[in-house]
Amino acid sequence: NAGVTQTPKFRVLKTGQSMTLLCAQDMNHEYMYWYRQDPGMGLRLIHYSVGEGTTAKGEVPDGYNVSRLKKQNFLLGLESAAPSQTSVYFCASSYSGLNTQYFGPGTRLTVL
Amino acid sequence: QQPVQSPQAVILREGEDAVINCSSSKALYSVHWYRQKHGEAPVFLMILLKGGEQKGHEKISASFNEKKQQSSLYLTASQLSYSGTYFCGTVEVMNRDDKIIFGKGTRLHILP
Repeated sequence: NAGVTQTPKFRVLKTGQSMTLLCAQDMNHEYMYWYRQDPGMGLRLIHYSVGEGTTAKGEVPDGYNVSRLKKQNFLLGLESAAPSQTSVYFCASSYSGLNTQYFGPGTRLTVL
Repeated sequence: QQPVQSPQAVILREGEDAVINCSSSKALYSVHWYRQKHGEAPVFLMILLKGGEQKGHEKISASFNEKKQQSSLYLTASQLSYSGTYFCGTVEVMNRDDKIIFGKGTRLHILP
């Protein structure tokens, strides 16, 4: 039982490049989330999904896109990376909106 | 709307008590508490639903005053392992598309 996994763990991009972060969970959770964490800002919700095929915007969605084609996977895409997107990205999943969120180990992204 | 946590940081000696507060300007359905150790992912502590209940987890407990839209996390006889950043998250309305909005966190450092 791996829980929530994220790939990659680290990535360095140049401004304007694109990339996709993959989140996978093996707990059969309906809800999945993408957060970014910056010093002094806490955890800010980017996008989330309440089930396979659904996505919704969070607090800071601009510059990101997501897809949930399979229940166990939640992809976060950056079409044209900007230095302001340098951050640590966490994925999480939960059974429902009121249940425990299980977080992945994080992806540290640097945009030069 | 992001909840406000206070204090932003606190330093204690082992065995001392601490209180971390979380307040919102909006009516709340639930409050969630997580702890994050340096370099790790956030880990769930507890959920409090509206109704003013108090919950406990080892020597860590919390209360939720829905009328004041506030929650407090109590750490008694603190241990070195309690060091980390504590986040509260709030849910304003319970429906299928609702999500947790986290505060900026409170850094807790326990000295031996």
